[in-house]
Amino acid sequence: SQQGEEDPQALSIQEGENATMNCSYKTSINNLQWYRQNSGRGLVHLILIRSNEREKHSGRLRVTLDTSKKSSSLLITASRAADTASYFCATAGRGKSGGSNYKLTFGKGTLLTVNP
Amino acid sequence: NAGVTQTPKFRVLKTGQSMTLLCAQDMNHEYMYWYRQDPGMGLRLIHYSVGEGTTAKGEVPDGYNVSRLKKQNFLLGLESAAPSQTSVYFCASSYGQAGGLYQETQYFGPGTRLLVL
Repeated sequence: SQQGEEDPQALSIQEGENATMNCSYKTSINNLQWYRQNSGRGLVHLILIRSNEREKHSGRLRVTLDTSKKSSSLLITASRAADTASYFCATAGRGKSGGSNYKLTFGKGTLLTVNP
Repeated sequence: NAGVTQTPKFRVLKTGQSMTLLCAQDMNHEYMYWYRQDPGMGLRLIHYSVGEGTTAKGEVPDGYNVSRLKKQNFLLGLESAAPSQTSVYFCASSYGQAGGLYQETQYFGPGTRLLVL
């Protein structure tokens, strides 16, 4: 399976600190996406990084991708209490039938708690 | 824009009952998806659609049917509900112009919590 696996499963930090979450996967991918889910809500897309990209930034978010190690990291700088949420990585790669039949596979998520 | 909306927000069913979950999007997206989210399992794709009148099976399609009669709506049906279908169901949509499924951002609805007794 190419399922992304987030690490750690849970992370608790103080407001103002940086939070780093990691995602590992097993097979080649087309892109990797990070999503945030607040408790009881739907997922919100954060960043999409393609396999030929190594780093992307969006505001306080920084995502890196190392295809040789099949891993990605999400860094949230200067965290805020409002960043408290579950963070999921999703890997997009070809399904078993190949062609344009890509499959998006979500990991189980990292629960981030930012304490005020 | 309302984005992606789901109806109902919460439902309790008895085993064997049927129901339909409605998903609507006002972003003129081509692609739509139904996922289920269970504790410790992440999201799993049930069915998806790449355009009006088309549907396809995802990772866990058994026990579910879908229809996409209008571009903006994607319906998920449970013909005979089972306790194993207790879950949170999410609908999502994406633009559909980036070269194929999953190569672009997906926009999610708020979810429907379903409890099957």
